[in-house]
Amino acid sequence: DADVTQTPRNRITKTGKRIMLECSQTKGHDRMYWYRQDPGLGLRLIYYSFDVKDINKGEISDGYSVSRQAQAKFSLSLESAIPNQTALYFCATSATSTPRGRGANEQFFGPGTRLTVL
Amino acid sequence: GESVGLHLPTLSVQEGDNSIINCAYSNSASDYFIWYKQESGKGPQFIIDIRSNMDKRQGQRVTVLLNKTVKHLSLQIAATQPGDSAVYFCAENRGNSGGSNYKLTFGKGTLLTVNP
Repeated sequence: DADVTQTPRNRITKTGKRIMLECSQTKGHDRMYWYRQDPGLGLRLIYYSFDVKDINKGEISDGYSVSRQAQAKFSLSLESAIPNQTALYFCATSATSTPRGRGANEQFFGPGTRLTVL
Repeated sequence: GESVGLHLPTLSVQEGDNSIINCAYSNSASDYFIWYKQESGKGPQFIIDIRSNMDKRQGQRVTVLLNKTVKHLSLQIAATQPGDSAVYFCAENRGNSGGSNYKLTFGKGTLLTVNP
């Protein structure tokens, strides 16, 4: 979905390096999320934000931090990358209310960032 | 424990056949369910949703069935096409308890392969 963009799309880095993944959206949504996807484990929530300055931990936040600089931007940082953080990372957004009454449940995903930590 | 899981990790069908992808959930407080489709190299995309006050909902070539008695959700795809080949995820929203109505919990996914 071009409304949610992620940069970079691919990144290879070394253990111990600091990495930042960026997410931008033009959907005007208040809520943003970061997920991690591993084979056989589905999508797991890392952090989420309801609005600027609002940050909440998901189920696997250890080793990660986030920043919500503006409504349209939500960045994910790995302060000191380790090999088991090698995964596909997705940003998602949702609105407080949406057409057709879906409410805040429907999330719109970016194309993903493939991160490899050597 | 609380979980959203799938009965079949892979499903292979012939083009034109109907496909059924299953999902089990264990949280009786879940009140909203979504099916997502993820094609290779892309993020998940919404297919269809259903609220817990419904048993069935139809979209274009897709139908979602919800059986709350056995906590089971299924996605039916009619006349499956090669373009339907993807990983399909079910996701649940666990209602308003504890203020968690903004989070989705995803299943592990089923890979659907459509053979020409």
